[in-house]
Amino acid sequence: SYELTQPPSVSVSPGQTARITCSGDALPKKYAFWYQQKSGQAPVLVISEDSKRPSGIPERFSGSSSGTMATLTISGAQVEDEADYYCYSTDSSGDHRVFGGGTKLTVL
Amino acid sequence: EVQLVQSGAEVKKPGESLKISCKGSGYSFTTYWIGWVRQMPGKGLEWMGIIYPGDSDARYSPSFQGQVTMSVDKSINTAYLQWSSLKASDSAMYYCARNIRQFRGPTIENWFDPWGQGTLVTVSS
Repeated sequence: SYELTQPPSVSVSPGQTARITCSGDALPKKYAFWYQQKSGQAPVLVISEDSKRPSGIPERFSGSSSGTMATLTISGAQVEDEADYYCYSTDSSGDHRVFGGGTKLTVL
Repeated sequence: EVQLVQSGAEVKKPGESLKISCKGSGYSFTTYWIGWVRQMPGKGLEWMGIIYPGDSDARYSPSFQGQVTMSVDKSINTAYLQWSSLKASDSAMYYCARNIRQFRGPTIENWFDPWGQGTLVTVSS
């Protein structure tokens, strides 16, 4: 089965840049999507189609993808950005849709 | 505003049946697939499956095929997820979400946006 691999945790100080990676064999051909899930809340889409920022998402959130790795970047991370972040994509056939294991971002 | 509103928390005993709901508003309900996602306590997100309200075509993850049933009532813009015989291991938060489909050349990309608020299911004797 298809898998997306993320680091379990990332930690930065406020104002620093946080980078969260997601690796998957089909990422050269398929988009990555990123969801933010704050404690006790439903996931929210923060990056669509590798690098598009939905309406209402702060400009400090950006996304990129190169080869088999997609990256979510939070430039000047804020304390309120503390959350679990999940990448989402599909295998090359489009049949198997998966979430990465999630990355806990700590900002302190 | 596009919204998905889910039914409230449930506490059930092993072996009991359950049906939870997800009501969509603010968009054309019958033209977007609805997906379901499981999140077990302290764990990550798991893609369960999607259903098309227009014709009830349903696709299940192999991990959930035969374990749950998705359905819709398009007359009231509502999707359902049901169990015929719950197990303790079904205890989890369940989210519904609208599935967006977009062509990318010869392929189709899919993603979820927005999500419902979640329904907590607790199965305990």
